[in-house]
Amino acid sequence: NAGVTQTPKFQVLKTGQSMTLQCAQDMNHEYMSWYRQDPGMGLRLIHYSVGAGITDQGEVPNGYNVSRSTTEDFPLRLLSAAPSQTSVYFCASTHDGGSYEQYFGPGTRLTVT
Amino acid sequence: AQRVTQPEKLLSVFKGAPVELKCNYSYSGSPELFWYVQYSRQRLQLLLRHISRESIKGFTADLNKGETSFHLKKPFAQEEDSAMYYCALRSSGNTGKLIFGQGTTLQVKP
Repeated sequence: NAGVTQTPKFQVLKTGQSMTLQCAQDMNHEYMSWYRQDPGMGLRLIHYSVGAGITDQGEVPNGYNVSRSTTEDFPLRLLSAAPSQTSVYFCASTHDGGSYEQYFGPGTRLTVT
Repeated sequence: AQRVTQPEKLLSVFKGAPVELKCNYSYSGSPELFWYVQYSRQRLQLLLRHISRESIKGFTADLNKGETSFHLKKPFAQEEDSAMYYCALRSSGNTGKLIFGQGTTLQVKP
């Protein structure tokens, strides 16, 4: 099992550009989430999904879109990048919504200039 | 409101000293709490969860509902414990969401 994979590992964007961060998991997990990690802020939830075709907003959803067409994939789209979106992005998945362990991807470090 | 607070950004101790990483939470109902750890250049991973009442790598954490705390403790710190530690609360509802604290960097000096 590869677990949770994310691409790219690093990305630099100019303000206004759009891009998609990819996330995939091969553990057949229903629940997937996107977090951003900022110094002094911890991890904050952007969007999450409880299954294919179902997504919802987290704490900081503005400027991001998601879709979940398959169980395996959960891409995060930045519509028009802003410097405030400079961060490290983590994708996570878990077996169900209960007390099971969340498995994290390696992260994508995004810089918006 | 559901919230997790880790008051210390950085905790620096010498090898062999006791460690306590503080975590306080705000939650109405029965909380489910976790500690996650991120070692340098590694991905975030679960360290322990309160319902398991386990000790992992010498770390323990006890849920204190009266003080709404879930502090992480280790009697004798090792250099390999140096990492970023996050306390997390499972959000209400069956959604798989976690609410994280701000994180504490533990630095264990030789």
